[in-house]
Amino acid sequence: QVQLVESGGGGVQPGGSLRLSCVGSGFNFSYFGMHWVRQAPGKGLEWVAFIGYDGRNKYYGESVKGRFIISRDNSKNTLFLQVSSLRVEDTAVYYCAREGYWGQGTLVTVSS
Amino acid sequence: AIQMTQSPSSLSASVGDRVTITCRASQGIRNDLGWYQQKPGKAPKLLIYPASSLQSGVPSRFSGSGSGTDFTLTISSLQPEDFATYYCLQDYDYPWTFGQGTKVEFK
Repeated sequence: QVQLVESGGGGVQPGGSLRLSCVGSGFNFSYFGMHWVRQAPGKGLEWVAFIGYDGRNKYYGESVKGRFIISRDNSKNTLFLQVSSLRVEDTAVYYCAREGYWGQGTLVTVSS
Repeated sequence: AIQMTQSPSSLSASVGDRVTITCRASQGIRNDLGWYQQKPGKAPKLLIYPASSLQSGVPSRFSGSGSGTDFTLTISSLQPEDFATYYCLQDYDYPWTFGQGTKVEFK
């Protein structure tokens, strides 16, 4: 069955960086575009970024453009999100997703 | 970016009630809209996509309608397991955008 497992979250100070990962299994990872979506504590869902199946097409939400970079390694069935210049308001659970399937998320906490 | 206006933000209902949630897009999005259910501490679950197509395994009491700018999610007879937060999501154009969410609470 399709599984998406995120990792790499944690606590970081404002201005810091993290690299989030998402490993996909149970499907042909290299055939699917992938997304990152986040949810701040007690808030709604916010779409963050998309990368096409081959890594060529990338799109970002306005609030993260220029600070976050989405990438993938199809040889390792892994999706990445490099999050930089972090702000307190970036505190959220970060989910990776493909059409119809979501991981369980990894928590990023930005605090001084 | 396309704005998705979802209403109501919350509602109180009883088991057996008919519940309707709406999403309005700031521009036409054809039928490129999905409805998600999220329970506390869990990842969202896709119920309907596009607009009116029920996903496999989703109970038939859920239905979706609409195209263009106005969309509706209906739960025909609310069940205890349906108390959750519901979101719409447009994937017509990037950046994708969610509605603000509707929390369905027990009356």
